[in-house]
Formats: sequence, C-alpha cells, structure tokens
Amino acid sequence: QVQLQESGPGLVKPSETLSLSCTVSGGSMRNFYWGWIRQPPGKGLEWIGFVSYNIGITKYNPSLKSRLAISIHTSKNQFSLNLSYVTAADTAIYYCVRVGEWLHDYWGQGTLVTVSS
Amino acid sequence: QTVVTQEPSLTVSPGETVTLTCASSTGAVTSGYYPNWFQQKPGQAPRPLLYSTSDKHSWTPARFSGSLLGGKAALTLSGVQPEDEADYYCLLYYGDTVLIGGGTKLTVL
Repeated sequence: QVQLQESGPGLVKPSETLSLSCTVSGGSMRNFYWGWIRQPPGKGLEWIGFVSYNIGITKYNPSLKSRLAISIHTSKNQFSLNLSYVTAADTAIYYCVRVGEWLHDYWGQGTLVTVSS
Repeated sequence: QTVVTQEPSLTVSPGETVTLTCASSTGAVTSGYYPNWFQQKPGQAPRPLLYSTSDKHSWTPARFSGSLLGGKAALTLSGVQPEDEADYYCLLYYGDTVLIGGGTKLTVL
C-alpha cells in the first residue's frame, strides 16, 4: 500500500520560503508524477503542480509558477515543494499526491502551513 | 482565466439518486479532460473516487458512477447513504495544467 507523508515547518514568516517534503513508502516512485495540492482553511482545493520521476519535467500552476519549485530526491524516496516570497494567502493545508496516467490516486494526510510573523 | 464550476451545495434524502456536475468555462467537457472526482469529509484528506470520466479506483463503492452529461462531467450517487455526506471536487486536465472545481457540499437529510 503506497503511503505519502508530508513534513516541514508549520509556521513560515511572510516573504520567506515555504519548504515541504513528502516521503513515499510502500511503492516505487518510478513511472509516476509526484505533486502538490493545497487547501486554504475552510476553502476549496488548488492544484499546485507536479514533477515527473523519470524525466524530471515539471508542470506548475501558472499563478504560482514564478515562486514555485518542485523536485525529486531519488535517493531518499522523497520529493519536495519550495514556494518563495510567501504571504498570508499561502496559508493552507498542503497535500502531497501521487499522479498516474490521468489520475491523482494516493494522497498524504496533509500538513497545515501558516504564514505569519 | 479558465474556471471549473460545480454546484455549491445539494441536499438529498437517503436512498435517492443525485447527480453532481462539473463545467468548464472553455466549453464542453469531453473525455479529453480526463475528469477526476474526489470526496472529502471534515478533517480528512480528499479520497479519489473516479478518474478518466468513469473509471473507478479499487476502493470506490459501486453506487458512485461517472459520465459526461450535457457538456459537463457528472458524478452520480445511486442510493445515497448517510456516510456520503461530504464535499465533492472535480479535477480537469487542460494540457499543461490542471484545474479543480470549487466543490459541491452534499448534505444527506
């Protein structure tokens, strides 16, 4: 059973960089994309982006692209999210997700990141 | 800017059938948008239900089905159960990007 677990700081200061990791267990990372989706408290889901394990290409939400980097760390069975110059609008639960052939099938439990000074 | 629209809320009685829809501001939703559907209960991560319009995950109950209906993606719950009360989100693929609808809050009364 594939499992994903997010980790990282729960509090980030405005204008700093939000950095999260997702550890994948119970399955190989090969042949899949790995991505992030977020949800502001009490609101809907927003797709952030994903990265291909095999060829390293990335697809990003255009509204976040200038501040966003998603990368794979093959030796650690992890992938990460870096979102720079954060504001209060970036406060959300961040979910890491496995992305297959036109589907998002396995999700982490989510981690709340608050942007506040 | 492209927007994916869902009914904000629906109310249904146990045992009834209800259909939730997912529309795109760009026009008709086709199979080429590979619609996905997710269920989210309070305090939980979203749970995938359907992908590629109508394909089910191994854990998806049989009462959930997907289709294309009147230019929209549709999720139908046949014989609604009290435990189906949740938020439901659709996801559409647009070439290099993905958009998620605003969600439908389904109340079972």
